[in-house]
Amino acid sequence: KAGVTQTPRYLIKTRGQQVTLSCSPISGHRSVSWYQQTPGQGLQFLFEYFSETQRNKGNFPGRFSGRQFSNSRSEMNVSTLELGDSALYLCASSSGGGGGDTQYFGPGTRLTVL
Amino acid sequence: GDSVTQMEGPVTLSEEAFLTINCTYTATGYPSLFWYVQYPGEGLQLLLKATKADDKGSNKGFEATYRKETTSFHLEKGSVQVSDSAVYFCALRIGRDDKIIFGKGTRLHILP
Repeated sequence: KAGVTQTPRYLIKTRGQQVTLSCSPISGHRSVSWYQQTPGQGLQFLFEYFSETQRNKGNFPGRFSGRQFSNSRSEMNVSTLELGDSALYLCASSSGGGGGDTQYFGPGTRLTVL
Repeated sequence: GDSVTQMEGPVTLSEEAFLTINCTYTATGYPSLFWYVQYPGEGLQLLLKATKADDKGSNKGFEATYRKETTSFHLEKGSVQVSDSAVYFCALRIGRDDKIIFGKGTRLHILP
């Protein structure tokens, strides 16, 4: 079974631009979650989508948004990029049952904002 | 709010040494507990998990026991290898919520 894939793996943008990251979950998984990883803040939850609906949201500004398609693939968009948005963005997929249900992580997209 | 606290790193050990990485949590409900590992340049991999009190998760020689009375989930391994060098994250989830709350991570260096 193929794992979680994220594209692109690396991105370089400049301040003020916008960016879209993509995540393809494991086949059959209906939940996709996004996390931001930085050296200072560690791993922080951005949001979760389940069956095309945002089910949970972290404490990030409205510049961060996402969506999920009918095939469970998800995209994350960041508008008006700031230097502090430089990070590794990870997505994770699961069946969506919650609790002890295992989340599987992708390799991440490393975003650098200049 | 819900949170996870784990020991600061880096932790440096010699090969075949005994490893303990401490993790404690604060949770309003009854969490499931996890240890994830991140190897250099890679994403996170689930190492082990426990979903209720007194459960013991184990994998690849690593173990952790869900201690409700001490709100802890310490990671242990009897004999570490150079290949265990990585960053280890303790984490929790509450109920059906897919949001994972992570600790800050502990970097582990194993010397040959």
